[in-house]
Amino acid sequence: SQQGEEDPQALSIQEGENATMNCSYKTSINNLQWYRQNSGRGLVHLILIRSNEREKHSGRLRVTLDTSKKSSSLLITASRAADTASYFCATDARETSGSRLTFGEGTQLTVNP
Amino acid sequence: NAGVTQTPKFQVLKTGQSMTLQCAQDMNHEYMSWYRQDPGMGLRLIHYSVGAGITDQGEVPNGYNVSRSTTEDFPLRLLSAAPSQTSVYFCASSRPPRALTGLYEQYFGPGTRLTVT
Repeated sequence: SQQGEEDPQALSIQEGENATMNCSYKTSINNLQWYRQNSGRGLVHLILIRSNEREKHSGRLRVTLDTSKKSSSLLITASRAADTASYFCATDARETSGSRLTFGEGTQLTVNP
Repeated sequence: NAGVTQTPKFQVLKTGQSMTLQCAQDMNHEYMSWYRQDPGMGLRLIHYSVGAGITDQGEVPNGYNVSRSTTEDFPLRLLSAAPSQTSVYFCASSRPPRALTGLYEQYFGPGTRLTVT
């Protein structure tokens, strides 16, 4: 079964708006990561947040982590058409840190120009 | 650096045939993994390796074999292809998490699109 579940499954916004995607997971984690996948391509790592962190920023990306609710959110500010892609969260369990990630089903983001 | 390379890009097999998907990385990464991605779904881990000579099963290992004789290469073998193995296969590599920060990132190859008829 999928450890991470993203919400919503699909999101369509206008350029310049903010996009928020959520991820929930079931077991204890060492860290949570977000990846982007452009259509027909491999995944690209965006950001990693450790279990003892609550918020992390990278450029236009802001990630939050609430381990008590077993959830994370990815916020993309001032979105651009080039942000159109699928976004996946991936969890890294404590006992297997670094060696095996469990991915969610992804959120398909469409940014309309 | 070429990063993570996968061959072939596309492959069509008949049920029962066997083949090997190739994966290579030139970043001297210890960790390597194979995932499959089915339409509308996330990636599921097939097998992974934390170093040459060490492999382990992931979430969906049945029907697949791996070996890791060198740091650079991590081939995935389909023993007897079935239509249920129609999927896109991704190979990934990474360094182990940094000791002090726990930071690392997986680098993905471009994928192999496999169709089994």
